[in-house]
Amino acid sequence: DTGVSQDPRHKITKRGQNVTFRCDPISEHNRLYWYRQTLGQGPEFLTYFQNEAQLEKSRLLSDRFSAERPKGSFSTLEIQRTEQGDSAMYLCASSLTVSNEQFFGPGTRLTVL
Amino acid sequence: AQSVSQHNHHVILSEAASLELGCNYSYGGTVNLFWYVQYPGQHLQLLLKYFSGDPLVKGIKGFEAEFIKSKFSFNLRKPSVQWSDTAEYFCAGSGGGADGLTFGKGTHLIIQP
Repeated sequence: DTGVSQDPRHKITKRGQNVTFRCDPISEHNRLYWYRQTLGQGPEFLTYFQNEAQLEKSRLLSDRFSAERPKGSFSTLEIQRTEQGDSAMYLCASSLTVSNEQFFGPGTRLTVL
Repeated sequence: AQSVSQHNHHVILSEAASLELGCNYSYGGTVNLFWYVQYPGQHLQLLLKYFSGDPLVKGIKGFEAEFIKSKFSFNLRKPSVQWSDTAEYFCAGSGGGADGLTFGKGTHLIIQP
């Protein structure tokens, strides 16, 4: 499968714990995006990378959230001291710079108890 | 602020009926517009996109959309729907110097056989 992959697909954690999600983009795509989607809403943009550089961050990305893409390939999204309001589907997408046609992964569903 | 709004949150149609889903956007400057579909249990897939040129764009599975700049609209259409079109449909845009997508809240489409 050459699409965008995300791991894990599901994560259940207790409030206050830290969690980390991984995204592997389509191999030749140099842009990688993170979104969050809650029930009944469309995805909301969090941040994006071009290669290893983080170029844009939404105001939704509080200081408990951090994303990295150290070698310009896979990316990780970490949430520290999780809160119940962080429960959502976290989506990753990738694209080529020239097209901005974003291909989405299956998402990681986070439940914070 | 950039925004995308979808008029209908739930639409129920019979097979062979014609479909039109509304989408309006608010962007300054150049805008790129997209329609994504999410079938039950699957991840987001691109239906079609508009960057520039011909305002009538054709996508996969018989869908099309028309960019009407004067109305700030990008409505999705299909002349004859099938039961397999049952899904969640999202309109999204990017522009104004930002590359992250702004999504509408989505339209849940149910096609009755």
